[in-house]
Amino acid sequence: GESVGLHLPTLSVQEGDNSIINCAYSNSASDYFIWYKQESGKGPQFIIDIRSNMDKRQGQRVTVLLNKTVKHLSLQIAATQPGDSAVYFCAENIGGNTPLVFGKGTRLSVIA
Amino acid sequence: GAGVSQTPSNKVTEKGKYVELRCDPISGHTALYWYRQSLGQGPEFLIYFQGTGAADDSGLPNDRFFAVRPEGSVSTLKIQRTERGDSAVYLCASSSRPGAGVEDQYFGPGTRLLVL
Repeated sequence: GESVGLHLPTLSVQEGDNSIINCAYSNSASDYFIWYKQESGKGPQFIIDIRSNMDKRQGQRVTVLLNKTVKHLSLQIAATQPGDSAVYFCAENIGGNTPLVFGKGTRLSVIA
Repeated sequence: GAGVSQTPSNKVTEKGKYVELRCDPISGHTALYWYRQSLGQGPEFLIYFQGTGAADDSGLPNDRFFAVRPEGSVSTLKIQRTERGDSAVYLCASSSRPGAGVEDQYFGPGTRLLVL
């Protein structure tokens, strides 16, 4: 089937290692920053979000870090598993039910 | 429960033809969004409905694109005089209520449109 990200930067990690995916955002007025996972042939799936008044938030196996000074967002995945293989996008919005602005994606490839 | 569904899953058409893409949001969700995703890119916002009305249509690229949501549930994205550059995956998302968090925006699987 059609691939979402044929020309995306790729991060290859060994199964069990930690992964770090980075993203630069553009709008200083954005209040929410979100990470999405997109598998081939599917729509984006919410992973975790962080509000602009925070610099770190943890979920299950995932951590998002926000550096507003340099407009940088990162997603850390602990103990990466083959099922984590997908394209990851960061997104931002001004909150709630407002449209998302997506950044460039990164393809994560987990080597078993 | 059922998620956001989109039909058709794939659509092949010829340049100049008219197409309609359908989105069935999660039942009860008041907000509905259309995005377009070109190969190798992140989704780009097209239009957002709150209920029956278009709250923001600033992402529609030109007047060939139009979307409706007459009863506040199902939405149809309509593209007139299709061009090869319209080829993309068209994604729909829905959200439960005003003030809902971003985690409440659920995406459908998309319609893959190919204009020959």
